[in-house]
Amino acid sequence: GENVEQHPSTLSVQEGDSAVIKCTYSDSASNYFPWYKQELGKGPQLIIDIRSNVGEKKDQRIAVTLNKTAKHFSLHITETQPEDSAVYFCAANINAGNMLTFGGGTRLMVKP
Amino acid sequence: DTGVSQNPRHKITKRGQNVTFRCDPISEHNRLYWYRQTLGQGPEFLTYFQNEAQLEKSRLLSDRFSAERPKGSFSTLEIQRTEQGDSAMYLCASSLARTASYEQYFGPGTRLTVT
Repeated sequence: GENVEQHPSTLSVQEGDSAVIKCTYSDSASNYFPWYKQELGKGPQLIIDIRSNVGEKKDQRIAVTLNKTAKHFSLHITETQPEDSAVYFCAANINAGNMLTFGGGTRLMVKP
Repeated sequence: DTGVSQNPRHKITKRGQNVTFRCDPISEHNRLYWYRQTLGQGPEFLTYFQNEAQLEKSRLLSDRFSAERPKGSFSTLEIQRTEQGDSAMYLCASSLARTASYEQYFGPGTRLTVT
């Protein structure tokens, strides 16, 4: 079935450094790739997304890149801050539809 | 608060009991989704509605699970004869159906513990 792999599972960076999280997907029909941030005890929060008709999207300190040929996409966070510490999930839509398949998550720790 | 709301936030039940959760989507959103999330994992899709019609159900959704959205607004998810393996966070999300629009916004979840 459709699968999304996410790496690394944990990532520790120093405040001010950059963080990169990578995902690969298996469904060649996927055309929507969101990223969610989940803090302890809360639901996932949509932070950025990208569609298959663009290769990169940026929103302040957050950027996402997409390589459709290789079926992988990445989240880049620059100038990390302690409040960026959370679990981040990538996802892809199944068969170009409305259902999302999620990666296993990356626990990001930003050390002050 | 105009986001997705879910009730209750926590539920502890004994094995074999039935439980029901409620989700209220963002007011103008006509699509509503249910996901399940176990500790250390990403959310897994269960089912979704467009207005009152249930359009997709995952193979994960056993016969003990049933979801409804009778008036196309709030939704309920019922689990009958709960098992310990049902312990998880149940997440609801909503979105607005329009051309090439996929953004889903999640609620805070209902954490179910089956003892």
